[in-house]
Amino acid sequence: AQSVSQHNHHVILSEAASLELGCNYSYGGTVNLFWYVQYPGQHLQLLLKYFSGDPLVKGIKGFEAEFIKSKFSFNLRKPSVQWSDTAEYFCAVGIYNQGGKLIFGQGTELSVKP
Amino acid sequence: DAGITQSPRYKITETGRQVTLMCHQTWSHSYMFWYRQDLGHGLRLIYYSAAADITDKGEVPDGYVVSRSKTENFPLTLESATRSQTSVYFCASSRSQGDGYTFGSGTRLTVV
Repeated sequence: AQSVSQHNHHVILSEAASLELGCNYSYGGTVNLFWYVQYPGQHLQLLLKYFSGDPLVKGIKGFEAEFIKSKFSFNLRKPSVQWSDTAEYFCAVGIYNQGGKLIFGQGTELSVKP
Repeated sequence: DAGITQSPRYKITETGRQVTLMCHQTWSHSYMFWYRQDLGHGLRLIYYSAAADITDKGEVPDGYVVSRSKTENFPLTLESATRSQTSVYFCASSRSQGDGYTFGSGTRLTVV
């Protein structure tokens, strides 16, 4: 069965530190890749997505992610985090011809200290 | 995003009762989904629908029923609520396969 792994369950950073959250998936075919963010007490919001083309995608709020097909990875990065980035981050994979459903990772909780 | 609304936002119910969570979207998106979010499990797919009158089971469908008689509505019913169904439930929609989801604000359900 397809799965998505987020290796970091909880990351604690100081403001201005750089961020990288790992995401790996297990599927050998064509995929669409997503990162979602969930601020405390809120619903999930789309940060960025990859469908095809340039493997480096830029999203909102200064986030970017790089798709490395050979490693089945889609890591999320931000050069300098802010306190307001405190949230939970979810990686998700969409597989073609599977009814549009996404498979989510278990999430990474990011805490940014001011 | 006002385009997808869930109701109620909070619900407390007793074990054994039937409860229905509502989801309504205004975009005429084809695809709709129900997930539950629990600590340690992330988001797990309960049911999804590719169009009106087409529904399919997800990862954790037991104890739940869905219907989709109209494109814009996708209610989720717990036939006989159990404490293990205490969770936050998110509805989502997407325009097409492979497109990103837009999520509703969630329903926090407590079964006592």
